[in-house]
Amino acid sequence: GAVVSQHPSWVICKSGTSVKIECRSLDFQATTMFWYRQFPKQSLMLMATSNEGSKATYEQGVEKDKFLINHASLTLSTLTVTSAHPEDSSFYICSARVGLVWGEQFFGPGTRLTVL
Amino acid sequence: QKEVEQNSGPLSVPEGAIASLNCTYSDRGSQSFFWYRQYSGKSPELIMSIYSNGDKEDGRFTAQLNKASQYVSLLIRDSQPSDSATYLCAVNAAAGNKLTFGGGTRVLVKP
Repeated sequence: GAVVSQHPSWVICKSGTSVKIECRSLDFQATTMFWYRQFPKQSLMLMATSNEGSKATYEQGVEKDKFLINHASLTLSTLTVTSAHPEDSSFYICSARVGLVWGEQFFGPGTRLTVL
Repeated sequence: QKEVEQNSGPLSVPEGAIASLNCTYSDRGSQSFFWYRQYSGKSPELIMSIYSNGDKEDGRFTAQLNKASQYVSLLIRDSQPSDSATYLCAVNAAAGNKLTFGGGTRVLVKP
């Protein structure tokens, strides 16, 4: 399958700081990437859909000014958590879709964010 | 009613047996269907995709799709302890563009 990387794999930060997470498709071009959040023992929650060259589409209840998404190239999307607070601590996972709208999505390894 | 439903489990299976997982979905126009495996603390890993009615086999895994009944299933043959994980059913709805996930079924394979 296609390979998606994420960086960093884990990060600890102080409350009020901003954290940037990178998601890269390594062996394919992804016009669409997705950002998910997962709390312990819960299922994935889609945060936003990121399309290359255009503004991200956020799911209901997700603050777009807090979770900034940039998809500047066909292989890179970034998620910035601004002014992070302890309740933002979670497992953030990106995915990238291969090919058409109904194509397969491959997930990155995830970033575990802990806000102190 | 949830859009994609799975039994949360745990589904306990003896080593070497067949594990059978089911998933139902509500959007009749859904176009593509996926099974992901997620180990604790890790991200999901795609193990099967299926787009048309019938069976699709890949190694020890078989996915079955029945669009008329709106269900998709996954069979794991010769289950191994390493198959112990949460299995997520995901459906790409008629409107396309994003996956809807079920809550996952936790599978425990006992030696």
